Amino acid sequence: QQQVKQSPQSLIVQKGGISIINCAYENTAFDYFPWYQQFPGKGPALLIAIRPDVSEKKEGRFTISFNKSAKQFSLHIMDSQPGDSATYFCAAGTYSGAGSYQLTFGKGTKLSVIP
Amino acid sequence: GAGVSQTPSNKVTEKGKYVELRCDPISGHTALYWYRQSLGQGPEFLIYFQGTGAADDSGLPNDRFFAVRPEGSVSTLKIQRTERGDSAVYLCASSISGGALSGTGELFFGEGSRLTVL
Repeated sequence: QQQVKQSPQSLIVQKGGISIINCAYENTAFDYFPWYQQFPGKGPALLIAIRPDVSEKKEGRFTISFNKSAKQFSLHIMDSQPGDSATYFCAAGTYSGAGSYQLTFGKGTKLSVIP
Repeated sequence: GAGVSQTPSNKVTEKGKYVELRCDPISGHTALYWYRQSLGQGPEFLIYFQGTGAADDSGLPNDRFFAVRPEGSVSTLKIQRTERGDSAVYLCASSISGGALSGTGELFFGEGSRLTVL
C-alpha cells in the first residue's frame, strides 16, 4: 500500500521556469512533511519541510504548499536552474510513540532543467 | 568526517552469502536509521536506533536482516543468506533527536552502500 503518492515521475523545465511536484498522502496521522533532494550517487538531503498547522512555507526559491483537507502538498521551485536538476522526494512523517520518527517517502520525481 | 559515513560504497556478493554494511553517524547524533532504496524508488524504512537499542525494527523485511549498534555510535546492518531481491542501495541516516518532532527533525543521510546480489 503506497501511503505517499508523488507525481510526476519526471519533469523537464526550461531554465527560469517554475517546477511543480505534487504529493498526496492517506494517513491522517502524518504531521511532518519534508522534501528531500538527491543527486546521483549521493544520499538524500533535506530541502524544506512543513508542519500541517501552516498552509505555505517559503525558503528562497523553494515553496511548499500544503492542503490539509485534501491531504495534498506540493513543492514549487521558482526560477529553476540547471543546478536544480536532481531527484526530489516528498515524505511524510509521524511520531510512532515508540520514540521513532519515521519517514514514508514518495517514489521520487526526476527533474531536468534545460538551459 | 563531518557527515554520515558508510562502507563499503559498493558490495557485490553471490546469492546465499552473508553481508555486513557499516554506518558511522555524525558525532553526537543519538538517533540512527537504516533505509533501503531500490532502483527508481524512494527510501524505505528498515530500522531505527536511539542510542544502543533498536527502538523500532518494524521495517526489517524478514529475519535474514539484523542490525546492531553496540556502543551507541557505529551501526552494522547484517544480511544473512542474501537473495537477488536484496539488491538495493542501503542508506544510513542520523539525527540529533529521533523521538519528538522538535526543531527541524532533519535526517542526515550517508551516500549509501550499493549491494548487488548475483
